[in-house]
This record gives sequence, structure tokens and C-alpha cells, in this order.
Amino acid sequence: DTGVSQNPRHKITKRGQNVTFRCDPISEHNRLYWYRQTLGQGPEFLTYFQNEAQLEKSRLLSDRFSAERPKGSFSTLEIQRTEQGDSAMYLCASNPENVRVHEQYFGPGTRLTVT
Amino acid sequence: AQKVTQAQTEISVVEKEDVTLDCVYETRDTTYYLFWYKQPPSGELVFLIRRNSFDEQNEISGRYSWNFQKSTSSFNFTITASQVVDSAVYFCALSEGTSGTYKYIFGTGTRLKVLA
Repeated sequence: DTGVSQNPRHKITKRGQNVTFRCDPISEHNRLYWYRQTLGQGPEFLTYFQNEAQLEKSRLLSDRFSAERPKGSFSTLEIQRTEQGDSAMYLCASNPENVRVHEQYFGPGTRLTVT
Repeated sequence: AQKVTQAQTEISVVEKEDVTLDCVYETRDTTYYLFWYKQPPSGELVFLIRRNSFDEQNEISGRYSWNFQKSTSSFNFTITASQVVDSAVYFCALSEGTSGTYKYIFGTGTRLKVLA
């Protein structure tokens, strides 16, 4: 039984470049979440997918950010024209659509450094 | 507005001591869920416990126990006989039932250092 996986684990990029992260949720988990965590803070919600539908986006998700989950399985998060303020850990989590299961299972995260 | 407050930034204890981590939450929903997660130095958030708003029974699971009190909007977490491996950042999180997404609102975390 594999957990949530994220790739890459680390990404260093220069300001202005585009980056894309991938998240593979636990198999058969149709709910998928993206969070961002900066140093010394708790994770903050970015966006939520139920199957392939993106049902909620945080105000933190500026127009430079876009997320997809084309077939309801893996998801990608793209940041265009990166800025130094985008440096953070990007976390993905999933859980099944089951009224008894509310805990989310997190991946190891992708640490982004924008230089 | 929803909010989670973890007032303790950092706690240091000596191995085998008991330690309690505090969490206070704010929500207008009557149905909500509270969680504790552990984030070791590796960075991955590990689920520890969940409590539903409609179930105030407090429980013990191994060395972990929690005290959920709706009257004071608190959800405190206790580790008994702490061990060095318990050293990590602990996050309290709130999820509301009416939002439909069940997204989490996290506190800022409490760093626990257990000294040998």
C-alpha cells in the first residue's frame, strides 16, 4: 500500500522561470488537496479537487498558479514566472470520499527555492 | 471566522516526562473535526488523531491522549513518558463540515524537543 507521492522532492529555480510539481494520491482517493507551508508556519490551503473537478481555490492562489487533475488521478501544480516569495514547501494530501474518513494523508512535499 | 491557535511555540522536556500541547480553535460551524499531526525533521505530516465535534469522549491511545472540551474550544494533546523520537513539530488542525471540501485550517505548530 503506497502513500501519497510527490515529485520532485526539491526544486531550485531562478526568478521568472516556470515550475511544475506532481502529486500522486493514494489509489482510489478521489479527494485531493494542495497546501503551501512557509518556514515556521502551518500549512495553508491552496486548492481542492474532487475527482477531476477543481471545486475550491484559495485567494492565495494567484493567477500565476494553476492546478489540474485531468483524469481524477494524479495532479499537477504549476507556478508561472516564479517570485522569491513562492519559496516554500508545497504539500499534497488525499482522502477518500467517505463520510467516516476525514483525515487527510500527506505526501513528503516539494520544497521550492526561488533564487 | 475559523482559526486555530497554538500558543506554545516551543517546548523542551526531558525524556520520560509527560508533555501537553495546547490547541484552541474558533469556528461557527456546529459540525467540525479536529486533528493532530506530527511533522518530524523529514517534513512529512503524519496523522495522529481525529476528534468529531459531536463526540466529546476523551481517549487514550498508547502514549497519546487528548482532551476535547467544547465549552472552552480546546483540543489538547498529551504525550505520556516522552521519548527522543517524539521530537518534532506538532500541528493542530480544524476541518469544517459545512464547507464541503473539508479543507484544513492549521495552527502555527509547537516544536517539541525531548532531551535524553
